[in-house]
Amino acid sequence: GAGVSQSPRYKVAKRGQDVALRCDPISGHVSLFWYQQALGQGPEFLTYFQNEAQLDKSGLPSDRFFAERPEGSVSTLKIQRTQQEDSAVYLCASTLGTRQNEKLFFGSGTQLSVL
Amino acid sequence: AQSVTQLDSQVPVFEEAPVELRCNYSSSVSVYLFWYVQYPNQGLQLLLKYLSGSTLVESINGFEAEFNKSQTSFHLRKPSVHISDTAEYFCAVASGGYQKVTFGTGTKLQVIP
Repeated sequence: GAGVSQSPRYKVAKRGQDVALRCDPISGHVSLFWYQQALGQGPEFLTYFQNEAQLDKSGLPSDRFFAERPEGSVSTLKIQRTQQEDSAVYLCASTLGTRQNEKLFFGSGTQLSVL
Repeated sequence: AQSVTQLDSQVPVFEEAPVELRCNYSSSVSVYLFWYVQYPNQGLQLLLKYLSGSTLVESINGFEAEFNKSQTSFHLRKPSVHISDTAEYFCAVASGGYQKVTFGTGTKLQVIP
């Protein structure tokens, strides 16, 4: 597609529910990143994929967070047993290659509210 | 480890006045530096970046940033702002061979007519 697409745009979950957030990167982009942006904060790194391989998951806050990119294109971020502190905007970004100086292309994000 | 500090959370400025948004970084190795902008109801997009070479980098819409290694700074400047520059600006750093980019907390630029 023309840009990075994320869905849903908004998600409201009851505490304890599982949620799945989808990211469709730009076609052909090798690298994919997930970021978490809490209110009034900058994006915080969660995890990084190079094609289907998850090379860095150091930013995932707990084992309730799980991400996958099984075919090297679409990625899903899953949060199990959601807690109120999980409320944030979840951003997906992709880059064409693997160099660290490349431009990140961001999606519009999924705003997750846990009640 | 790498980190970014943006001390100003909000900067109000009158239209056509100059502006400077401050950014300081911390890294023990060579760095790549970025400014990203988020316009209202839009996603983050790259404004400009420093990779190497000339320490002064410019964007297509009149912003510029200067890499200062001794002061570990990468401040963003514009000599005359427009209403359309109203947005949130994020400074970011990548270093040490790690793929992840670390962002600052952002500065909201509010241009007053």
